Amino acid sequence: EPEVTQTPSHQVTQMGQEVILRCVPISNHLYFYWYRQILGQKVEFLVSFYNNEISEKSEIFDDQFSVERPDGSNFTLKIRSTKLEDSAMYFCASSETRERVTGELFFGEGSRLTVL
Amino acid sequence: AQKITQTQPGMFVQEKEAVTLDCTYDTSDPSYGLFWYKQPSSGEMIFLIYQGSYDQQNATEGRYSLNFQKARKSANLVISASQLGDSAMYFCAMREPLIKAAGNKLTFGGGTRVLVKP
Repeated sequence: EPEVTQTPSHQVTQMGQEVILRCVPISNHLYFYWYRQILGQKVEFLVSFYNNEISEKSEIFDDQFSVERPDGSNFTLKIRSTKLEDSAMYFCASSETRERVTGELFFGEGSRLTVL
Repeated sequence: AQKITQTQPGMFVQEKEAVTLDCTYDTSDPSYGLFWYKQPSSGEMIFLIYQGSYDQQNATEGRYSLNFQKARKSANLVISASQLGDSAMYFCAMREPLIKAAGNKLTFGGGTRVLVKP
């Protein structure tokens, strides 16, 4: 069964360092997303990406964040200068075309980021 | 205002019994979708069941069923015949509006932790 894969599963970094989280969405999906979950809290939307551009982003997704689909298979989330409050589980997700309005998102297993 | 509310932070259920997880939502859009996801301790998010606002019947998927009461804006998840492997965090989520241009941004509730006792 196709799945969304994420690397790394866990990353520890120092405050102020740049971090890149990588995702390989399901191959025929067209929408890609990043969500995050701070420990013990709800899952929050960060950004959606379609047709090589951001289609929607939340207020959390400020200038420190960026996304890229560099080669047609990977989908990355970059945090330029990490802060302590960026510590969270980051989930990548993908979904099929707009035409499938049930809109099930397929999530990866998450990348846990710990900022020290 | 909270768009998705899950009032039960945690609950115990006896193995083989049924459990109902509450979810209420708030939207002014007539077209929306409601989802339930399971998050085991390993952390991944597993899709369980979907209900569209225009669906005439309540959704069912194996041991999962969704008790959709549109007028009350509730979409409770029922897990029948609980198993030990059902112990997890359960999230209710909403997509709105359910139109083609909107993509699939989901708003999640705070979750309910379920522990199944043998």
